[in-house]
Amino acid sequence: GAGVSQSPRYKVAKRGQDVALRCDPISGHVSLFWYQQALGQGPEFLTYFQNEAQLDKSGLPSDRFFAERPEGSVSTLKIQRTQQEDSAVYLCASRTGASYNEQFFGPGTRLTVL
Amino acid sequence: GQQVMQIPQYQHVQEGEDFTTYCNSSTTLSNIQWYKQRPGGHPVFLIQLVKSGEVKKQKRLTFQFGEAKKNSSLHITATQTTDVGTYFCEIGNTGKLIFGQGTTLQVKP
Repeated sequence: GAGVSQSPRYKVAKRGQDVALRCDPISGHVSLFWYQQALGQGPEFLTYFQNEAQLDKSGLPSDRFFAERPEGSVSTLKIQRTQQEDSAVYLCASRTGASYNEQFFGPGTRLTVL
Repeated sequence: GQQVMQIPQYQHVQEGEDFTTYCNSSTTLSNIQWYKQRPGGHPVFLIQLVKSGEVKKQKRLTFQFGEAKKNSSLHITATQTTDVGTYFCEIGNTGKLIFGQGTTLQVKP
């Protein structure tokens, strides 16, 4: 079956532009996570959804970052007024249930802000 | 909040040598997970450890969870070039999950 997909795979934005990153999790997966991974670093937690409910958004760096999952499947991470420090790979992951089991990661979106 | 320290940051080995990466927490963990990320790729789940003193093996990989459930290790026996990548530990159960900084393994053929 299909894995987690993300689009676009690459995004170049001028500083100040808004961007929207999409994640299609594995069908039926309850939990969905967004991570930010800077070069040479581990993934940093941004936010977590259980179905359509955003249960934890403590990792979002600023109020310029916003995530949603309105129907409990596809999720969008939006970054307003992008800054150069937002340049990173944004990873999405999903898993079957609420409690821990294997996370399945998407290929990521590489965002470059010029 | 919870944090996990992972060492070393980099390791260069000759093919056939062994490799170990360690994760340490100041607090007792309920479980710990290990992931591998190939260059240019995304993290791929390797294993989860839950029990105190647990040891699990996957071919040449041996995973250990400390007796106090505050540390864990991943050991690779007789490395191969296919082992190249960054190995991360991850802690957490429900909700927020925290990754270590990763250990990047380079293998010289």
